[in-house]
Amino acid sequence: AQSVTQLGSHVSVSEGALVLLRCNYSSSVPPYLFWYVQYPNQGLQLLLKYTSAATLVKGINGFEAEFKKSETSFHLTKPSAHMSDAAEYFCAVSPPPSGGSYIPTFGRGTSLIVHP
Amino acid sequence: KAGVTQTPRYLIKTRGQQVTLSCSPISGHRSVSWYQQTPGQGLQFLFEYFSETQRNKGNFPGRFSGRQFSNSRSEMNVSTLELGDSALYLCASSPGTDSEAFFGQGTRLTVV
Repeated sequence: AQSVTQLGSHVSVSEGALVLLRCNYSSSVPPYLFWYVQYPNQGLQLLLKYTSAATLVKGINGFEAEFKKSETSFHLTKPSAHMSDAAEYFCAVSPPPSGGSYIPTFGRGTSLIVHP
Repeated sequence: KAGVTQTPRYLIKTRGQQVTLSCSPISGHRSVSWYQQTPGQGLQFLFEYFSETQRNKGNFPGRFSGRQFSNSRSEMNVSTLELGDSALYLCASSPGTDSEAFFGQGTRLTVV
């Protein structure tokens, strides 16, 4: 069984400040980990994914995440927040696809609020 | 390249009715997955179809069903609608083998 816990349903930062969104996972098999972003009335867009290669993963829009097995964490960071980063962010975990598709289990989401 | 297209975008139905949602995947993608998103339960996996066969299934009652056609387009059906079925239903497509999924904008279903 797999699960994801996102710490903090809302995170508020000032424009230009560091963004840190926390994600801890539980998995009985080596996990594949994802961060998605969802803007209002839109679907999900993949920001980045970890698939057992480099532990520091760089994604789109300046985001990155680091896989820490010892801490079972996959926190999302961005050095400097922009107003356009305001959205809902979802962390997700999937077992290795083994030739099939990823079937992610999602966290409850963190709403990022960016103040001018 | 066109993205994942879901129709309709918004839908209002009455309790007890049934509803069919449609999803057209990205050209060349053979896998289509469906998710339900609600404020209470978050994002939950419904099922995945690959080459017209259901390959994975989430933990939803039998009122929720789907199918995939030979052109990879997929439909999801919910029968005997309940108020709790009100949600954003998201469809995602992928090539189908060790690859990420691309999401559509969703269909917002309201059951009254």
